[in-house]
Amino acid sequence: NAGVMQNPRHLVRRRGQEARLRCSPMKGHSHVYWYRQLPEEGLKFMVYLQKENIIDESGMPKERFSAEFPKEGPSILRIQQVVRGDSAAYFCASSDNRETEAFFGQGTRLTVV
Amino acid sequence: ELKVEQNPLFLSMQEGKNYTIYCNYSTTSDRLYWYRQDPGKSLESLFVLLSNGAVKQEGRLMASLDTKARLSTLHITAAVHDLSATYFCAVDNTGTASKLTFGTGTRLQVTL
Repeated sequence: NAGVMQNPRHLVRRRGQEARLRCSPMKGHSHVYWYRQLPEEGLKFMVYLQKENIIDESGMPKERFSAEFPKEGPSILRIQQVVRGDSAAYFCASSDNRETEAFFGQGTRLTVV
Repeated sequence: ELKVEQNPLFLSMQEGKNYTIYCNYSTTSDRLYWYRQDPGKSLESLFVLLSNGAVKQEGRLMASLDTKARLSTLHITAAVHDLSATYFCAVDNTGTASKLTFGTGTRLQVTL
């Protein structure tokens, strides 16, 4: 049973480009959480999604960031017109319901040059 | 707004010594987690603490929770080099088990 899979593991983008980060939850999990970790800091919650629904996006920046979790396929975190401050590790976690602990993926390390 | 503070932020200790990492949080919580993170890696769940007075132990690590003081501790006994990592506590106070507020982390370095 594969764990939470994120890809790519490393992503380099030039300022102004778009970044797409993918997260495939564990088998049987329909709840996905995205977190951002800036260098030398703890993780900060961004968004919580269930299949086809955004449940809580209170941690998402108001502009340039969006997330989806379609009926089929992985969850996608999309960052438009990236800036240097977007450089961070982005972690995805999944669970089978909102009351159980989620498992974290390996993360995508985004570098904006 | 929930705030989670850890101290110390950095800890260098010799093998064989004991030490405690502290995690304070500002509002009532449903559960508290401890995670380990190695450089460039994901988070490994160590403990989940659900109730006041909860104590859990795994190997050289022991975690406890005092909900009245809003304090959790991670105690390291007879440290070994393999324990070198960054340790995070995280708190859930929303009823959504994985919408967590993380502490800033404690970077532990165990020297020979």
